Amino acid sequence: SYELTQPPSVSVSPGQAARITCSGDALPKKYAYWYQLKSGQAPVLVIYDDNKRPSGIPERFSGSSSGTMATLTITGALVEDEADYYCYSRDNSGDSVVFGGGTKLTVL
Amino acid sequence: EVQLVQSGAEVKKPGESLKISCKGSGYIFTNYWIGWVRQMPGKGLEWMGIIHPSDSRARYSPSFQGLVTLSVDTATSTAYLQWSSLRASDTATFYCVRSPPVDVTSVYPDYWGPGTRVTVAS
Repeated sequence: SYELTQPPSVSVSPGQAARITCSGDALPKKYAYWYQLKSGQAPVLVIYDDNKRPSGIPERFSGSSSGTMATLTITGALVEDEADYYCYSRDNSGDSVVFGGGTKLTVL
Repeated sequence: EVQLVQSGAEVKKPGESLKISCKGSGYIFTNYWIGWVRQMPGKGLEWMGIIHPSDSRARYSPSFQGLVTLSVDTATSTAYLQWSSLRASDTATFYCVRSPPVDVTSVYPDYWGPGTRVTVAS
């Protein structure tokens, strides 16, 4: 079955850039999506189609994809950005949809 | 404003049946896919399946095929996830999600409900 691999944790100081990666064999041909999960809140889409930002998402969130790796970058991370982040994509056939294992972002 | 309002937390015993709901508002319910995502305690997100309200066309993840049933009621703009016989391993939080009106091979969640916590214990 298809898998997306993320680092379990990333830690940065406030104001630094946080980069969270997501690797998968089909990413050269399939879009990556990124979600923010905070305890007690509904998850939020922060990046779609590799690098597009939904309305209402701060400009400090950006996405990129190159080869088999997609990256979520938070430029100038804030304490309020502490959350779990998940990537989402599909295999080359489009039939198998998966989430990455999630990355816990700590900003302190 | 798009909203997905989910039913409240449930505590059930193994072998019992359950149907949880997700009511969409703020958009044309029959134009968008509704999917379901599981998060077991302390674990990551798992895609369960998706259904299109216009014709109840559903596609299940292989891991959930035959274990759950997706359905919709367009009269009330509500989607349902149901089990006929719960197991302790079904203990999890279940999120409903909306996907834009794309081909089923391109679906992705753009809005999420707050989740329904289901606890199955004897």
